[in-house]
Amino acid sequence: GDSVTQMEGPVTLSEEAFLTINCTYTATGYPSLFWYVQYPGEGLQLLLKATKADDKGSNKGFEATYRKETTSFHLEKGSVQVSDSAVYFCALSPGGGADGLTFGKGTHLIIQP
Amino acid sequence: GAVVSQHPSRVICKSGTSVKIECRSLDFQATTMFWYRQFPKQSLMLMATSNEGSKATYEQGVEKDKFLINHASLTLSTLTVTSAHPEDSSFYICSASYGSGSHRSQFFGPGTRLTVL
Repeated sequence: GDSVTQMEGPVTLSEEAFLTINCTYTATGYPSLFWYVQYPGEGLQLLLKATKADDKGSNKGFEATYRKETTSFHLEKGSVQVSDSAVYFCALSPGGGADGLTFGKGTHLIIQP
Repeated sequence: GAVVSQHPSRVICKSGTSVKIECRSLDFQATTMFWYRQFPKQSLMLMATSNEGSKATYEQGVEKDKFLINHASLTLSTLTVTSAHPEDSSFYICSASYGSGSHRSQFFGPGTRLTVL
């Protein structure tokens, strides 16, 4: 079946550091890929998405590119802020947002001032 | 836009009782809603897909007689945990599918913390 593997945290960085959270997937066909963020005490929020190979999703300074050749969707940000501290989930859906999502285990990101 | 609410946010019940959790799409109609379960420091696991006006589709290993799902309208889906036991204690999260074609995404409710004593 489908699966998502992402680096497990916690990941601790200093403010303004460069961020990469790795995510790789296993799926048949051409899934859509997502990054969700869960801030402390809040529900999941869609951060960005990509629906086909070579698409780049971006939002709030975060970016991720759908790499079919490496089955990856790594999340990057050039300069993180304390407010970016949260848990980040990589996920896939075989039919875009119309199907249930398969999530990775989540990466807890801690940004220190 | 695309706001999803859940009620209650927290519930504590005694073993053997049933608990109903509501999931509502507040500003859009959702023909499809999803129910997930999240264990502490773990990922979300899809439990079932709820389609308005039809029976829910359950993932392998999820007991449909224990987790009753009803999707009676385009803005409301309910999950009833029947005869709850301590092992059912978890964080239950719903989502609703919004948009069309490649712009379709899932928007999540804030979750319901269930504790069974």
